[in-house]
Amino acid sequence: SQQGEEDPQALSIQEGENATMNCSYKTSINNLQWYRQNSGRGLVHLILIRSNEREKHSGRLRVTLDTSKKSSSLLITASRAADTASYFCATDEGSTLGRLYFGRGTQLTVWP
Amino acid sequence: DSGVTQTPKHLITATGQRVTLRCSPRSGDLSVYWYQQSLDQGLQFLIQYYNGEERAKGNILERFSAQQFPDLHSELNLSSLELGDSALYFCASSDRRGGGGYTFGSGTRLTVV
Repeated sequence: SQQGEEDPQALSIQEGENATMNCSYKTSINNLQWYRQNSGRGLVHLILIRSNEREKHSGRLRVTLDTSKKSSSLLITASRAADTASYFCATDEGSTLGRLYFGRGTQLTVWP
Repeated sequence: DSGVTQTPKHLITATGQRVTLRCSPRSGDLSVYWYQQSLDQGLQFLIQYYNGEERAKGNILERFSAQQFPDLHSELNLSSLELGDSALYFCASSDRRGGGGYTFGSGTRLTVV
């Protein structure tokens, strides 16, 4: 099955810096979602962007979507040590059944 | 607490055995999804139920089965376990349309020895 592919696989930054993660996918979508996972824990839904939206904000998060390039980016501004986690993008591959396909994630480490 | 409850949190069992993982979805959510997360395969979609009926199947082995009960809780049954089945198993739930994103449980860590 198709999956989103995050890039980079790992990202290491200092507190206060911005972190940008990218996601590419292969099929048409209804929406794209970003999730966060702390080590060994369940995933937490961060933000959803619909295929007819180009940009969305939530607190320190900014997500962009370019359907022509089949890509999305997640920007975390003014990062904190507590942002250390894995970040996953997920797509519905155009299905209306509700199921999501996840990429392998970007491991973000924010150093104090 | 996300509202999705998974039990048990940890499970250690021997090869060839059978285990049952349980999931209670968030109140009001009708859809339940099961995922397997391992280091080499990432997050793999296994199966989806909606209001008691199977809605979609993913990379679920024939040795695995699931069901959703009238009270909407779901169980994932894993049989003839192999070492390679060791993984984190997540349950997630969503509302009718799933458009608001999934709510994940904290997972069951299965170790097959």
